[in-house]
Amino acid sequence: NAGVMQNPRHLVRRRGQEARLRCSPMKGHSHVYWYRQLPEEGLKFMVYLQKENIIDESGMPKERFSAEFPKEGPSILRIQQVVRGDSAAYFCASSRGTSGLQETQYFGPGTRLLVL
Amino acid sequence: KNEVEQSPQNLTAQEGEFITINCSYSVGISALHWLQQHPGGGIVSLFMLSSGKKKHGRLIATINIQEKHSSLHITASHPRDSAVYICAVRWKNTDKLIFGTGTRLQVFP
Repeated sequence: NAGVMQNPRHLVRRRGQEARLRCSPMKGHSHVYWYRQLPEEGLKFMVYLQKENIIDESGMPKERFSAEFPKEGPSILRIQQVVRGDSAAYFCASSRGTSGLQETQYFGPGTRLLVL
Repeated sequence: KNEVEQSPQNLTAQEGEFITINCSYSVGISALHWLQQHPGGGIVSLFMLSSGKKKHGRLIATINIQEKHSSLHITASHPRDSAVYICAVRWKNTDKLIFGTGTRLQVFP
């Protein structure tokens, strides 16, 4: 059973370009969470999605950031018109979604975004 | 003040030593997680606790809900335990995790 997959593992973008980060949850998992880790800082919650629904996006910046988790395919975190301050490690986690609030989240390896 | 505080921030130990990392939080929670982040950056979930104590190999995690405090213990530490250990709490009735800033552990042979 493959773990949570994220790609790309490293992404370099110039200011103003778009960044697309992909997350494939573990098999059988229907809940996906995105977290951001800025350099020398702790992890911060961004968004929580279930298939085709955004459940909680209270940690997402209001502009330029969006997330989706379509019925088919991976979850996508999209950052438009990237700026240097977007440089960070972006982690995805997934959970099964059947045990309510007592579930373990399994983390992917992260995507390290560098904006030049 | 952060909702989740960890101590110490940095910890060095000799191989074989018993290690304790502490986590205090100020919000009502439904669960607390201990995570391990290796130098390469990957994150592994070690424990999820809502009460009492859990043990896995040389790792033990405890939580005191009344005191809003959790500890992670490593017995017979080994250089491969060197990593950042992160405490995260799940706010009550939400799925959102709030993270501590981590404890950087280095175990020397």
